[in-house]
Amino acid sequence: GQQLNQSPQSMFIQEGEDVSMNCTSSSIFNTWLWYKQEPGEGPVLLIALYKAGELTSNGRLTAQFGITRKDSFLNISASIPSDVGIYFCAGQRETSGSRLTFGEGTQLTVNP
Amino acid sequence: DSGVTQTPKHLITATGQRVTLRCSPRSGDLSVYWYQQSLDQGLQFLIQYYNGEERAKGNILERFSAQQFPDLHSELNLSSLELGDSALYFCASSLMGLAGNTGELFFGEGSRLTVL
Repeated sequence: GQQLNQSPQSMFIQEGEDVSMNCTSSSIFNTWLWYKQEPGEGPVLLIALYKAGELTSNGRLTAQFGITRKDSFLNISASIPSDVGIYFCAGQRETSGSRLTFGEGTQLTVNP
Repeated sequence: DSGVTQTPKHLITATGQRVTLRCSPRSGDLSVYWYQQSLDQGLQFLIQYYNGEERAKGNILERFSAQQFPDLHSELNLSSLELGDSALYFCASSLMGLAGNTGELFFGEGSRLTVL
């Protein structure tokens, strides 16, 4: 089953607002990744984080790897309608090889 | 376009039947992963192959099996299908399969299986 707790489960926001979502775990992860999935598509990698405390940006997206290595957050600034989709966090643990464990996703709806 | 190709895109079949889903990884990627995504659910890891060998197993049912061929493409076989097997099945690939790689997986567009 899932080992990552992702919140919120869904968000309904107005265009231009900032968005924040996070992922927590009881286990330590050595890599955190954030993916976006649009309807009928596979998940697309947005940001990858490799070091505790790392803060990485990709355009309007910013993600951080928590100091404890048990959490990560993703911020989206000045949201636009095309930000709509499901955002998944994913973690890779040293003991699990290269496979990823996924959170349950945050469904984002942006109203124009 | 991630470079990962999955076929078929859609599949409708009946309970008790068997289907095969196919995946071609990105050029140069040695690892292939299979994930299942049920309605409104996250992605559940099924199985991973690295350069033809099974590397890790997740929540994969005994009715399901997979293999990776010498040309690195992979097939996921689902047999004795049940209604609950209806889901999106994703294949992903990465360059390496051993602990210590970047962890970046690239996903195909998925195969949507409907069992009636």
